[in-house]
Amino acid sequence: DAGVTQSPTHLIKTRGQHVTLRCSPISGHKSVSWYQQVLGQGPQFIFQYYEKEERGRGNFPDRFSARQFPNYSSELNVNALLLGDSALYLCASSPAGAGNEQFFGPGTRLTVL
Amino acid sequence: AQSVSQHNHHVILSEAASLELGCNYSYGGTVNLFWYVQYPGQHLQLLLKYFSGDPLVKGIKGFEAEFIKSKFSFNLRKPSVQWSDTAEYFCAVNIYNFNKFYFGSGTKLNVKP
Repeated sequence: DAGVTQSPTHLIKTRGQHVTLRCSPISGHKSVSWYQQVLGQGPQFIFQYYEKEERGRGNFPDRFSARQFPNYSSELNVNALLLGDSALYLCASSPAGAGNEQFFGPGTRLTVL
Repeated sequence: AQSVSQHNHHVILSEAASLELGCNYSYGGTVNLFWYVQYPGQHLQLLLKYFSGDPLVKGIKGFEAEFIKSKFSFNLRKPSVQWSDTAEYFCAVNIYNFNKFYFGSGTKLNVKP
């Protein structure tokens, strides 16, 4: 079985632009979570979606948004990019909702210039 | 705000030495606890998890962790490390009622052959 896949692998944007990151969960997994990992820190929780509904949100500004599609894939959108948004964005899927083991993808490395 | 603290940022051990990595969290309610590992060039993967029951949990590759509720701790242990254990280790806490996940800042373990 394929693991969690994310696209693109790397991305370079400039301040003020908008970015969309994509994630495909493991087949059969209905929950997707997004994390931001800044160099030298642990992943910071952004969102959790389960059955296409937002079930959890971390302490991120409204510039960050996400959605989950009927096939359980997900997009993370970030508007008005700031230099501080440069990070590795991780997607994780799990079979069900809160508290379950999460399976992580390789991440998307976003650089904001 | 809730937090997860990993006390050791960088640990260097010789092969066959014993390992203990500390993890403390700040939430007093129901939590699920995890240790994840990231080997060089690889994704985050689950080492072990605690949901309920026996506070001593065993994971893959000979790792174990003990949940001590009174100390809000979930320390990771391995009696005898190998060179292949060189990796970064992350403690994570799921605050069940709020669908939020918190990761520690990670501990880099370097095992000398």
